[in-house]
Amino acid sequence: DQQVKQNSPSLSVQEGRISILNCDYTNSMFDYFLWYKKYPAEGPTFLISISSIKDKNEDGRFTVFLNKSAKHLSLHIVPSQPGDSAVYFCAASVWGSARQLTFGSGTQLTVLP
Amino acid sequence: SAVISQKPSRDICQRGTSLTIQCQVDSQVTMMFWYRQQPGQSLTLIATANQGSEATYESGFVIDKFPISRPNLTFSTLTVSNMSPEDSSIYLCSVGQGLPTEAFFGQGTRLTVV
Repeated sequence: DQQVKQNSPSLSVQEGRISILNCDYTNSMFDYFLWYKKYPAEGPTFLISISSIKDKNEDGRFTVFLNKSAKHLSLHIVPSQPGDSAVYFCAASVWGSARQLTFGSGTQLTVLP
Repeated sequence: SAVISQKPSRDICQRGTSLTIQCQVDSQVTMMFWYRQQPGQSLTLIATANQGSEATYESGFVIDKFPISRPNLTFSTLTVSNMSPEDSSIYLCSVGQGLPTEAFFGQGTRLTVV
């Protein structure tokens, strides 16, 4: 049973437009959420996070939105750039847990020049 | 963030053999983890590497298949034992410091078993 789901395996967006990547979760114990970006032949790179006490967190071109009632979060990238082309993983954890992150299956974002 | 170095970056191994992957961090870290990413799949936690004691394994992973060492706060190894083609994956070392649990990853080891 997948506790973190990314239902879109791929997304293509024109350069300069907004990219919206979606993530759903089922475990109500999750209260901390993260997005990672992964290029081929590299490990995942931490991008942005949000705790459950917030509904929005912004860092430059990246904004994460959290809808706890819907158990849904999204990552917005504005404006999208070709260098943003990568696989994006959503991850969730329980605050205070010294252990694992639960990852989604990833979304391949392609930004077209 | 910590700088994490993994060796080897890739390897092709014969079935039935074992491979040891090394993870070196440039600073002392509290938590070290090992993940696996099978082709087309997400990252799955194998175990938490505990300094000075036995690793804590997740469901579906056992010490005989994936023995782990962590002799100090900057180094860990993962061995993939008695390999089969199903073990072909990317293996990733990860570290976490403090709370909340933001984890940082090494570049991964791409293992192919033939």
